[in-house]
Amino acid sequence: AQKVTQAQTEISVVEKEDVTLDCVYETRDTTYYLFWYKQPPSGELVFLIRRNSFDEQNEISGRYSWNFQKSTSSFNFTITASQVVDSAVYFCALSEANYGQNFVFGPGTRLSVLP
Amino acid sequence: DVKVTQSSRYLVKRTGEKVFLECVQDMDHENMFWYRQDPGLGLRLIYFSYDVKMKEKGDIPEGYSVSREKKERFSLILESASTNQTSMYLCASRSTGTRGWVNSNQPQHFGDGTRLSIL
Repeated sequence: AQKVTQAQTEISVVEKEDVTLDCVYETRDTTYYLFWYKQPPSGELVFLIRRNSFDEQNEISGRYSWNFQKSTSSFNFTITASQVVDSAVYFCALSEANYGQNFVFGPGTRLSVLP
Repeated sequence: DVKVTQSSRYLVKRTGEKVFLECVQDMDHENMFWYRQDPGLGLRLIYFSYDVKMKEKGDIPEGYSVSREKKERFSLILESASTNQTSMYLCASRSTGTRGWVNSNQPQHFGDGTRLSIL
């Protein structure tokens, strides 16, 4: 069965520190997609990135980077030089190609960046 | 950009009332979803719809119903509100993509959420 685990419930860092949010997934499918979302205190979930299972190339977008490793079933998210505006709950999610209607979210990691 | 609009950011109702939460999307997406979010429990799927007049139960449908009369609008109904339905409610929409009903590569797009309090 499909499952997404985010073992870190809460993380606190001081501004300008780097921080990595872990995501581990389980899937029964060979083709699947992984997503990250950000939920700031205002409440809306904002889509950040999608990665498909046949592309293990890491991605960088400004201060954000994502490390996808199929061998360990992980899709970790790193924020470099964190800022107070990065404070939010971050969700990792999984969608399987052969079970397209399913969209499984992890429990989320609350990140607090302190000034 | 995709726009998903929920009718209220904050709502206060009384026990036993019938409550309607409305959600509208402007991207002609086939699929729409209702979640509730509670501390420590993450996002839990209540209902989803993959077409007009179609609905499927999610993980926690009890005490809720939905309506999808038009493609852009998906309503969540609390038939008789109870205090344990106090929560944050999130609506989302999702495109089917290019492979018909298999839309696994498409992200869900969320509204701003409705914080519902039942007194």
